[in-house]
Amino acid sequence: QKEVEQNSGPLSVPEGAIASLNCTYSDRGSQSFFWYRQYSGKSPELIMSIYSNGDIEDGRFTAQLNKASQYVSLLIRDSQPSDSATYLCAVPANTNAGKSTFGDGTTLTVKP
Amino acid sequence: DAGVIQSPRHEVTEMGQEVTLRCKPISGHNSLFWYRQTMMRGLELLIYFNNNVPIDDSGMPEDRFSAKMPNASFSTLKIQPSEPRDSAVYFCASSRSLGYSPLHFGNGTRLTVT
Repeated sequence: QKEVEQNSGPLSVPEGAIASLNCTYSDRGSQSFFWYRQYSGKSPELIMSIYSNGDIEDGRFTAQLNKASQYVSLLIRDSQPSDSATYLCAVPANTNAGKSTFGDGTTLTVKP
Repeated sequence: DAGVIQSPRHEVTEMGQEVTLRCKPISGHNSLFWYRQTMMRGLELLIYFNNNVPIDDSGMPEDRFSAKMPNASFSTLKIQPSEPRDSAVYFCASSRSLGYSPLHFGNGTRLTVT
């Protein structure tokens, strides 16, 4: 089992729809979770951080965390073509906090 | 506030040559990370430093790779000798603290070894 697994892509949604991106992790003791967006040819940039169970909303983005299920998700409401990118889930290890494991990423395409 | 600065942006070199990648972290960030990204293996952590001290270099693929952080504002990743399989994008990232702070990535260095 991979340490961090993301739903396989690519994911394609029409403009205005909700895009749902999922991530599961194996380290039950992990305390922080991050979503990064990476445009083609660019570096990853942070879009959401979440540390406790429940939802965090920031504009059109919502991150959801369920530690019991070891599951973290990212919802993008009212998807725009500019949201087309690869989304990476990152989970720092519990006993080695500097060691963040990244998922393979889910590539999202929002079609006008 | 300036972000993480990496140089060079692109490097093309021949097999066997020495390659040095450079990174300036964000001022005030205590932790610095070197990642490598390829299509096959995704984003891999090579090494990270905390307060200029190397903490975990278990991701460094071979002895051909070495990294230093002589002070809080500068780090290097060196490959000697380089091989074609080292071709990848190398990212430097920094964060305020380990684990609970997000990573801030530089623009990366695209390395091609022929």
